[in-house]
Amino acid sequence: KQEVTQIPAALSVPEGENLVLNCSFTDSAIYNLQWFRQDPGKGLTSLLLIQSSQREQTSGRLNASLDKSSGRSTLYIAASQPGDSATYLCAVLSDMRFGAGTRLTVKP
Amino acid sequence: GAGVSQSPSNKVTEKGKDVELRCDPISGHTALYWYRQRLGQGLEFLIYFQGNSAPDKSGLPSDRFSAERTGESVSTLTIQRTQQEDSAVYLCASSLSPSDGYTFGSGTRLTVV
Repeated sequence: KQEVTQIPAALSVPEGENLVLNCSFTDSAIYNLQWFRQDPGKGLTSLLLIQSSQREQTSGRLNASLDKSSGRSTLYIAASQPGDSATYLCAVLSDMRFGAGTRLTVKP
Repeated sequence: GAGVSQSPSNKVTEKGKDVELRCDPISGHTALYWYRQRLGQGLEFLIYFQGNSAPDKSGLPSDRFSAERTGESVSTLTIQRTQQEDSAVYLCASSLSPSDGYTFGSGTRLTVV
């Protein structure tokens, strides 16, 4: 059974910092991996989808990488802003399983 | 439709009553998923539909929970004899196929009093 782990559970940084969120999974035979953000009391918004044949995807200040052999994905956020404050979740799509998320706070 | 639509957005029900939650996926999306999110917790997988069949319903917590899907369209999640522990946000997502990215609805917040 696939297990998805996200570290750290919570992170607080000052505005402008670059940061990395981690997602690890136990079964490397995955299709694709997707990163989402969730604002308090809201649904999930898709950030990036990485196909299993890809190593990374970029959108604006966000870059997600995928290393299936080591069972890891990272989400890199450049020049963080207070508006980036949210919970970030990763999902292994082939198993329909989510990590518990990383709650990010960016302080002005 | 343009997005995944869920109704109602909020539902307060008395313990022991039955409730039905509805999900309208994006048109053309063959895969549909239900998740439960308790307050402050992560997403708990409930059931997956491919078309109108459910290849994976391993996450349904008890036989009080059931779900149906009409063709490649609307899905309903039914909870019978609701308990206070059923209070949560129920999220629905759809995708073109199981390997494509998910689009989520805004969820139904269920409160059992």
